Amino acid sequence: AQSVTQLDSQVPVFEEAPVELRCNYSSSVSVYLFWYVQYPNQGLQLLLKYLSGSTLVKGINGFEAEFNKSQTSFHLRKPSVHISDTAEYFCAVSDTGLYEKLTFGTGTRLTIIP
Amino acid sequence: DAGVIQSPRHEVTEMGQEVTLRCKPISGHDYLFWYRQTMMRGLELLIYFNNNVPIDDSGMPEDRFSAKMPNASFSTLKIQPSEPRDSAVYFCASGSQGRKDTQYFGPGTRLTVL
Repeated sequence: AQSVTQLDSQVPVFEEAPVELRCNYSSSVSVYLFWYVQYPNQGLQLLLKYLSGSTLVKGINGFEAEFNKSQTSFHLRKPSVHISDTAEYFCAVSDTGLYEKLTFGTGTRLTIIP
Repeated sequence: DAGVIQSPRHEVTEMGQEVTLRCKPISGHDYLFWYRQTMMRGLELLIYFNNNVPIDDSGMPEDRFSAKMPNASFSTLKIQPSEPRDSAVYFCASGSQGRKDTQYFGPGTRLTVL
């Protein structure tokens, strides 16, 4: 079984400042990692994913994440945030042998301060 | 494409009543997932189907919950009888065999049980 920890439940950031949202996972098997974004009153949308290959993955809206196997982390970053990035961000993990079954973290609410 | 469609968007009912949530997946998708989102427990996978067959229902909280997928374009999640602790946002998501690494979420149904 896998688990995901998102230590920061809320992150306020000034507009145009950089941001990092932290995600750590626990698993006894190889994993795939995902970040999903949920805008207010909407369903979740895939932001980016790590399946294999380069540990630095780029997603939509200028976000990127780096897979660090030794630290079991998959932190999400953006060099300059915009008001429209205000949303809840969920990290998720799946077993590479059963990757349709996702385990989600509890989410991080990103608030952009004008 | 219309995306994943869920109905109703909001449901308010009284304890003891039967509640039925509905989902229409994206046409051509052969995976369908039901999730529940609460403040306390975050986003939990309840059950998922592949080609209309339930694959894993280990997340279904108890016998009061049941899900069906009579055909490729329709699924229901039923709660009978409902309880106040069932109050949550219920999401349906769909995915395809060729892209199991991406799930497409509906807008959710906000259920309030009084």
